[in-house]
Amino acid sequence: KNEVEQSPQNLTAQEGEFITINCSYSVGISALHWLQQHPGGGIVSLFMLSSGKKKHGRLIATINIQEKHSSLHITASHPRDSAVYICAGLLMDSNYQLIWGAGTKLIIKP
Amino acid sequence: DAGVIQSPRHEVTEMGQEVTLRCKPISGHNSLFWYRQTMMRGLELLIYFNNNVPIDDSGMPEDRFSAKMPNASFSTLKIQPSEPRDSAVYFCASSLGGGAANEQFFGPGTRLTVL
Repeated sequence: KNEVEQSPQNLTAQEGEFITINCSYSVGISALHWLQQHPGGGIVSLFMLSSGKKKHGRLIATINIQEKHSSLHITASHPRDSAVYICAGLLMDSNYQLIWGAGTKLIIKP
Repeated sequence: DAGVIQSPRHEVTEMGQEVTLRCKPISGHNSLFWYRQTMMRGLELLIYFNNNVPIDDSGMPEDRFSAKMPNASFSTLKIQPSEPRDSAVYFCASSLGGGAANEQFFGPGTRLTVL
């Protein structure tokens, strides 16, 4: 069993839909990153959070460290949101070792 | 700022050849990471430098891989001799402060194909 599980693995939705991507982990972490990998391959950091909720534009990330679960939400989804979304947990007692999810491939159709 | 710069963007080489990948981190960032991404294994940390010093190289696959950071603005990842199983996308990332506790900025990656 992977230490970090993302669901769903693939998601196709219509433009405008509300999107939720989930990340669950089985090891202790102190913080969690959400990243976006564009179809061209570039990787961009979206959020890093250790508690509560963060919002940036149409993106919202939440985390419950005790329940070992984080979600990434996209409101009013747009075709340009099509990408792979990856979560990565910062291992407890480490300031650099990340455990990576396999990614969720999101396709938003116009 | 130009962001993290990697070169080359694409490299095709034959098995047995030496390959050198280059990375210029964002100015002022003192943490540098080399990652490898494959379809089978996703993103894997190869080596982590802090203040130009290698802190953890346990992710380097074997002795064929070596990495250096001679100064704060330059790092190399060398594979010698290269093998087909080394084919992957190699990313360099940098961050301010220690480790991955802060936002990481990724370079565009080098797509390596070893024939």
